[in-house]
Amino acid sequence: EDKVVQSPLSLVVHEGDTVTLNCSYEVTNFRSLLWYKQEKKAPTFLFMLTSSGIEKKSGRLSSILDKKELSSILNITATQTGDSAIYLCAVALYMYSGGGADGLTFGKGTHLIIQP
Amino acid sequence: GAVVSQHPSRVICKSGTSVKIECRSLDFQATTMFWYRQFPKQSLMLMATSNEGSKATYEQGVEKDKFLINHASLTLSTLTVTSAHPEDSSFYICSARDFRSAGTGELFFGEGSRLTVL
Repeated sequence: EDKVVQSPLSLVVHEGDTVTLNCSYEVTNFRSLLWYKQEKKAPTFLFMLTSSGIEKKSGRLSSILDKKELSSILNITATQTGDSAIYLCAVALYMYSGGGADGLTFGKGTHLIIQP
Repeated sequence: GAVVSQHPSRVICKSGTSVKIECRSLDFQATTMFWYRQFPKQSLMLMATSNEGSKATYEQGVEKDKFLINHASLTLSTLTVTSAHPEDSSFYICSARDFRSAGTGELFFGEGSRLTVL
């Protein structure tokens, strides 16, 4: 059974702190790993990672994939209250022999709270 | 942990027919459920927010007469794609918020339903 596990499930830090969110997976036919940020409504896309060891950055957020360890981390530096959200990790799989990705397997998310 | 079951996981139908997708919270009560649509290699797109006992709130650009949502109980929401056409072919996923942990913001996702309209 395909599985994506995120840790911690919840995290409370103070503004300005740096946080690291973890995602590990056990899936067949791995295609890519995605990170989302979800506040009140729809998750918003952050990163898609397909290659191991290549860091992706967007402002204060960065993420990297380790295919050997079957895991990924999401780092947020100099956190702000606006970073408070649920961070979702999801894995896209190849479902068909033709190579087309079909859907996502999500982790349960990390609920991050940034206190002023 | 909390489980959200979505059914069917895959459905193929002819153009012009209607298809119903169910989203069930198996071991918790869900006052709010969300329906998303996902195109290949793209992020989830929120279609509507389904609230138990009241009308769903649709996102801009989503036809409410096309995508009927019913949340008749605290454990079941349904999405009906009416008069489906090939352009409705997509991956639909629901998520649910546990009534007991509503303050935490934690969401539980269904496995998704792949709709193919011929």
